Amino acid sequence: GAVVSQHPSWVICKSGTSVKIECRSLDFQATTMFWYRQFPKQSLMLMATSNEGSKATYEQGVEKDKFLINHASLTLSTLTVTSAHPEDSSFYICSASYGWVTDTQYFGPGTRLTVL
Amino acid sequence: GESVGLHLPTLSVQEGDNSIINCAYSNSASDYFIWYKQESGKGPQFIIDIRSNMDKRQGQRVTVLLNKTVKHLSLQIAATQPGDSAVYFCAENTGANSKLTFGKGITLSVRP
Repeated sequence: GAVVSQHPSWVICKSGTSVKIECRSLDFQATTMFWYRQFPKQSLMLMATSNEGSKATYEQGVEKDKFLINHASLTLSTLTVTSAHPEDSSFYICSASYGWVTDTQYFGPGTRLTVL
Repeated sequence: GESVGLHLPTLSVQEGDNSIINCAYSNSASDYFIWYKQESGKGPQFIIDIRSNMDKRQGQRVTVLLNKTVKHLSLQIAATQPGDSAVYFCAENTGANSKLTFGKGITLSVRP
């Protein structure tokens, strides 16, 4: 149980284009979803927290117009990296919890974004 | 600022031995702690958690110990196997703003 999927698993795009990453909870309804970013050999850094039907809460330093988050249903959240640049290349990971935000977060497999 | 940190960046153990991975946290308000395992190119995998009203919790081959006095968390893996090789992260949740703060991660390498 508590399976989270991400799509795509990897994506390569040209600088200036936008990329959408999907995060789905497959066997539970996720009241809260989280988006993280991870650089090589570093820890996970929380980008934003989203609840179904409401606006995402972004961490300090994360540009909300750059990283658009939509949590349209209890099983789907999307992260769109707009006008991507090489410095946006990273491993993006989502997680979901099915209780209050304090409950255990279950992570997706991650999406490797490479911007040329 | 508040942070969660790990003492050692790498740990090498012999297959079959027990492993102990340590983590120090600085936020005394943290009431929930989780250990995650991350294999290369994959997302973190939940291993075990513990709440602040406990000092020990056991799972299958894993045990988490919490010492609130010195703000220390440890993960013990019994009879370490090659499949245990990965990066391990501790994470804390204060319960107030409900976000997970991850430690830096420690690489566990199991020698055959």
